[in-house]
Amino acid sequence: GPKVLQIPSHQIIDMGQMVTLNCDPVSNHLYFYWYKQILGQQMEFLVNFYNGKVMEKSKLFKDQFSVERPDGSYFTLKIQPTALEDSAVYFCASSLGTGVNYAEQFFGPGTRLTVL
Amino acid sequence: QQKVQQSPESLIVPEGGMASLNCTFSDRNSQYFWWYRQHSGEGPKALMSIFSNGDKKEGRFTAHLNKASLYVSLHIKDSQPSDSALYFCAVMPNYNVLYFGSGTKLTVEP
Repeated sequence: GPKVLQIPSHQIIDMGQMVTLNCDPVSNHLYFYWYKQILGQQMEFLVNFYNGKVMEKSKLFKDQFSVERPDGSYFTLKIQPTALEDSAVYFCASSLGTGVNYAEQFFGPGTRLTVL
Repeated sequence: QQKVQQSPESLIVPEGGMASLNCTFSDRNSQYFWWYRQHSGEGPKALMSIFSNGDKKEGRFTAHLNKASLYVSLHIKDSQPSDSALYFCAVMPNYNVLYFGSGTKLTVEP
């Protein structure tokens, strides 16, 4: 089936540094999402993105977070600067559209981010 | 904000048995409901969706939705060891954002 890839699978960085998480969504999908999962807790929506713009974001999407997809390449989540509470697994997802027949979100395997 | 709660936290069923997973949600205006399955080391993968009250069957899997009771469930018939995974209920109020429950860990014992 359609696959979403995420690079890297693990990232360890020092608090205060910048990190970029990369997502290669399904090729013909138009909507892109980031979700955050802290160990042992439920997965929570961060942001969605369409046509070069953030459509909706949650309160977890702090000012230090940004997303972009320059020239149809990777869909990225950048955190600058990082904080200890940013340690989590970040899942990227994509969907073809938002109508009832197109809304299924396909998830990548996640990037485990550890902030020291 | 949408609250999604799942029960039980973990479930052990024998191979060939029936697994029943439960989910409640808080927003009566929610329209779309999904069940996702996640195997260790992988991202969640959609199992099935349900949009109308009643039952929806896909192979060994049956989802049930009762919007008035704010309740959705998943039943897995003839459970197989390969069904062992983390199962998430997810509510999609507006086609765009998924609100996940905390998951049910299913173990099917041979």
